[in-house]
Amino acid sequence: EDQVTQSPEALRLQEGESSSLNCSYTVSGLRGLFWYRQDPGKGPEFLFTLYSAGEEKEKERLKATLTKKESFLHITAPKPEDSATYLCAVQAGNTGKLIFGQGTTLQVKP
Amino acid sequence: DTGVSQDPRHKITKRGQNVTFRCDPISEHNRLYWYRQTLGQGPEFLTYFQNEAQLEKSRLLSDRFSAERPKGSFSTLEIQRTEQGDSAMYLCASSSVNTEAFFGQGTRLTVV
Repeated sequence: EDQVTQSPEALRLQEGESSSLNCSYTVSGLRGLFWYRQDPGKGPEFLFTLYSAGEEKEKERLKATLTKKESFLHITAPKPEDSATYLCAVQAGNTGKLIFGQGTTLQVKP
Repeated sequence: DTGVSQDPRHKITKRGQNVTFRCDPISEHNRLYWYRQTLGQGPEFLTYFQNEAQLEKSRLLSDRFSAERPKGSFSTLEIQRTEQGDSAMYLCASSSVNTEAFFGQGTRLTVV
């Protein structure tokens, strides 16, 4: 069965303290791995898509990487406005359906 | 186009009542998805439309749930005889064949 597990469930950082979020997955026929950001009470906001092992993508203080079994979201020198829940999802098959992990809630304190 | 639009944003209903939610996707997207999200969890897939055809339904979608997408444009999700366990955020997303999915702001349902 296709499955996505994120760790840690919650992460507290001081402003400027870099860290990484983990997303482990098992899927038959990965068509893409997605990272979304979700603020409280709002819908997920797209961040990155990764398609193959070794691929990396960056956006501001965020960098996503992909291996055959997991993905990391690296946050460099975070700011309080980076506080949110970060969701990882995989797409298996060609319908575009996403299977999400439970998310990592990040709090960055000034 | 301003993105995926969902209406209403919040809905409080009494147990046993019927509710209907609407989703307007990004206009050039032919794929539309409904997800359900409970507190502390990631979104769970409910159903998928390509144009007007409903091509996949999750086992989570009991017979009290029905979704439509007439003419391949907007979509509605109806829940009949609501139960307290239906309380959740209902998210709509749309995409094209080779693009990522974009989500709406969701409809927060509270069943009292």
